[in-house]
Amino acid sequence: AQSVSQHNHHVILSEAASLELGCNYSYGGTVNLFWYVQYPGQHLQLLLKYFSGDPLVKGIKGFEAEFIKSKFSFNLRKPSVQWSDTAEYFCAAVNNNDMRFGAGTRLTVKP
Amino acid sequence: DSGVTQTPKHLITATGQRVTLRCSPRSGDLSVYWYQQSLDQGLQFLIQYYNGEERAKGNILERFSAQQFPDLHSELNLSSLELGDSALYFCASSVAALGSTDTQYFGPGTRLTVL
Repeated sequence: AQSVSQHNHHVILSEAASLELGCNYSYGGTVNLFWYVQYPGQHLQLLLKYFSGDPLVKGIKGFEAEFIKSKFSFNLRKPSVQWSDTAEYFCAAVNNNDMRFGAGTRLTVKP
Repeated sequence: DSGVTQTPKHLITATGQRVTLRCSPRSGDLSVYWYQQSLDQGLQFLIQYYNGEERAKGNILERFSAQQFPDLHSELNLSSLELGDSALYFCASSVAALGSTDTQYFGPGTRLTVL
């Protein structure tokens, strides 16, 4: 079955540390990829998305993600996290009207 | 504020009952999506409607159904409720259909508690 895997369930970092959250998908063929963020008590917001073109995608709030087709990966990165980045992060993939989310990674940034 | 509204915010009901959740998309958006977020199942895509027609189906149970009305608002009907249906139900909207490059905008969700 098609799936999206997020390797880290809970990541704890200090402010200014670099962040990388892993995401792998099992779809073959064309896939659209997304990272969403859910701040405490808020609804999901789109951080960035990849459909085609440059595999390095830049999103809001300094986040970026790199699509590596050979590794079926779409890892999220941020060079220097802030306390306000504390949230839950979801990777998602869409292929032929089938949309799947990863289990989410909870990021806690210590001030 | 994403512009997507959902009512009610909270819903508490008993097993075996039926409830209806409502979603109003952003102005101009033709697609509505429904998602379920629970502790054990995570975030799951349920179903998508585009301009009144069902376009994509995810992990939606037979006991659940949805529709999109001519004014583009959507309702998700959950029947024969079980304890395991307790979850946060999100609605999202976008201009075009799933698979397009459009961004989905999420509503604040309806928290359903089944006792």
